[in-house]
Amino acid sequence: DGGITQSPKYLFRKEGQNVTLSCEQNLNHDAMYWYRQDPGQGLRLIYYSQIVNDFQKGDIAEGYSVSREKKESFPLTVTSAQKNPTAFYLCASSFDRNPYEQYFGPGTRLTVT
Amino acid sequence: RKEVEQDPGPFNVPEGATVAFNCTYSNSASQSFFWYRQDCRKEPKLLMSVYSSGNEDGRFTAQLNRASQYISLLIRDSKLSDSATYLCVVNRMDSSYKLIFGSGTRLLVRP
Repeated sequence: DGGITQSPKYLFRKEGQNVTLSCEQNLNHDAMYWYRQDPGQGLRLIYYSQIVNDFQKGDIAEGYSVSREKKESFPLTVTSAQKNPTAFYLCASSFDRNPYEQYFGPGTRLTVT
Repeated sequence: RKEVEQDPGPFNVPEGATVAFNCTYSNSASQSFFWYRQDCRKEPKLLMSVYSSGNEDGRFTAQLNRASQYISLLIRDSKLSDSATYLCVVNRMDSSYKLIFGSGTRLLVRP
């Protein structure tokens, strides 16, 4: 089955630790995205990548880093510099020709204490 | 002012009811509009695009009013399974890859 997978579903970390969230897609999509969702708020774009080995900052990139070494994979690292890392993190992907039709993975709930 | 504003609800309606949500957007140059559906603690899924002339998909009708800068979603004959949060989404003008998500309107359909 084609789709987007994110792992793990739940993640707990201590403050000061970096953590990497996984995102893989087998939809042959060109573009991939990372969003963050906080309670009662809309999704906010962290980073996006239109093509392998290239990515752009979204609206809230500070404290996060990404890589895009393969078309299928777009991991997100939440660094210790991110002030409020506890959130629901969603990865998405789309075809280049229709970037507005984005397909989302099931998300990772990160809790940092 | 938020770029996309929605009434958070919840809208609590009985099965079979018709319910409508509105969403306003601030950038008059926006070109593309969408409704996404998000079930509790799940990922958003594209419900439908919104076209200038209005469009229908089964029990769902989406309309766009450019003059007043609002988008609407009408759900007829509500089902229990329609209970979810409905996100209004508008394209960003600084990049064709960027979307602005509203914070959502929650719908509860009761038996």
